[in-house]
Amino acid sequence: KQEVTQIPAALSVPEGENLVLNCSFTDSAIYNLQWFRQDPGKGLTSLLLIQSSQREQTSGRLNASLDKSSGRSTLYIAASQPGDSATYLCAVKAQGNNRLAFGKGNQVVVIP
Amino acid sequence: ETGVTQTPRHLVMGMTNKKSLKCEQHLGHNAMYWYKQSAKKPLELMFVYSLEERVENNSVPSRFSPECPNSSHLFLHLHTLQPEDSALYLCASSQGRSYEQYFGPGTRLTVT
Repeated sequence: KQEVTQIPAALSVPEGENLVLNCSFTDSAIYNLQWFRQDPGKGLTSLLLIQSSQREQTSGRLNASLDKSSGRSTLYIAASQPGDSATYLCAVKAQGNNRLAFGKGNQVVVIP
Repeated sequence: ETGVTQTPRHLVMGMTNKKSLKCEQHLGHNAMYWYKQSAKKPLELMFVYSLEERVENNSVPSRFSPECPNSSHLFLHLHTLQPEDSALYLCASSQGRSYEQYFGPGTRLTVT
């Protein structure tokens, strides 16, 4: 069974600092990995999707890397802003089935 | 409306009530999903529909009954729920089961 761990569970950073969020997974036989953002009491917004053959994806201030062999992904958010405050979820899709296995999330607060 | 919509956004029901959650996607996708998000736990996949056929039931109790009348609509019928079923219920859709999932805003369910 795929286990997804996100560290740290919660962090606070001053505005302008770069954010580094870590995700690890136990089974490297993945199809893709997806990072989501969730605001309190709301649904999920997809941020980046990395296919298993890719090493990274970038969108604006966001960059996600994938090291499949070591079972790790990192989400970098450059020059953080208060509007980046949210919970960030990592989800891994295994090969051969429909399931997205989610971590519990990194809860981020950016302090103005 | 665009994306994935869910109604109602909030629902309070007694343990003997029967209610239904509705999800509609406006993305032309052919796969739809129900997830449960409880406090302090990772998102749990409940059901997957592909081309209107249920392809996965992740050991969900029978008091939850899904229905997918067409590729754009997904329902979750609820009856005789328990207080521990209180959670955020999220619907998602994708174009094919292997592709990026788009989530709705969720229904916050409270069982009293």
